[in-house]
Amino acid sequence: GENVEQHPSTLSVQEGDSAVIKCTYSDSASNYFPWYKQELGKRPQLIIDIRSNVGEKKDQRIAVTLNKTAKHFSLHITETQPEDSAVYFCAARGGSGGSNYKLTFGKGTLLTVNP
Amino acid sequence: DSGVTQTPKHLITATGQRVTLRCSPRSGDLSVYWYQQSLDQGLQFLIQYYNGEERAKGNILERFSAQQFPDLHSELNLSSLELGDSALYFCASSVGVGETQYFGPGTRLLVL
Repeated sequence: GENVEQHPSTLSVQEGDSAVIKCTYSDSASNYFPWYKQELGKRPQLIIDIRSNVGEKKDQRIAVTLNKTAKHFSLHITETQPEDSAVYFCAARGGSGGSNYKLTFGKGTLLTVNP
Repeated sequence: DSGVTQTPKHLITATGQRVTLRCSPRSGDLSVYWYQQSLDQGLQFLIQYYNGEERAKGNILERFSAQQFPDLHSELNLSSLELGDSALYFCASSVGVGETQYFGPGTRLLVL
């Protein structure tokens, strides 16, 4: 089945700096890669996603890049703010058969933005 | 608010007991997913239903079962509870199979 590795597990940055979180996946047929943000005690919320036919996607201060050849994708947050502090999860969805019906999540990155 | 609702919000029970968690998907969503989130395990996919039928299974224990009803709400049944079952249980829903998933607020289960 799919295996998703996420790094780093913790990341601390100064307000205004950029943050980058990286994920690798194992199933070359995976075709959908969402990123979720989870604040303490709350539900994971989708912040951005990318499909395998696109190499990069941006939404204001957030961007995601996908390298299908290397099977890795990354989340980039620019001009970080204290409210960006949360746990971020990457996920990959398999592209064929039964695995197409589930997301496999990375173990999460705790991002702390220091004022 | 994603539109996905879960009840109860909190549940405290004892080892060996059985509990039922309930999820109502967003209006129009046919797929429901269940996840377990423990401190050291991240988000673990348990099971998925689409329009009443089971479509995918993850790391779901035999002591756990689920179903999706004709009105599309879903229930996750946890039996013979153990201390290690203490976790946050999330439900998510999507319009169809493999589409973007939206999470509910979760049920926090504490087994004493």
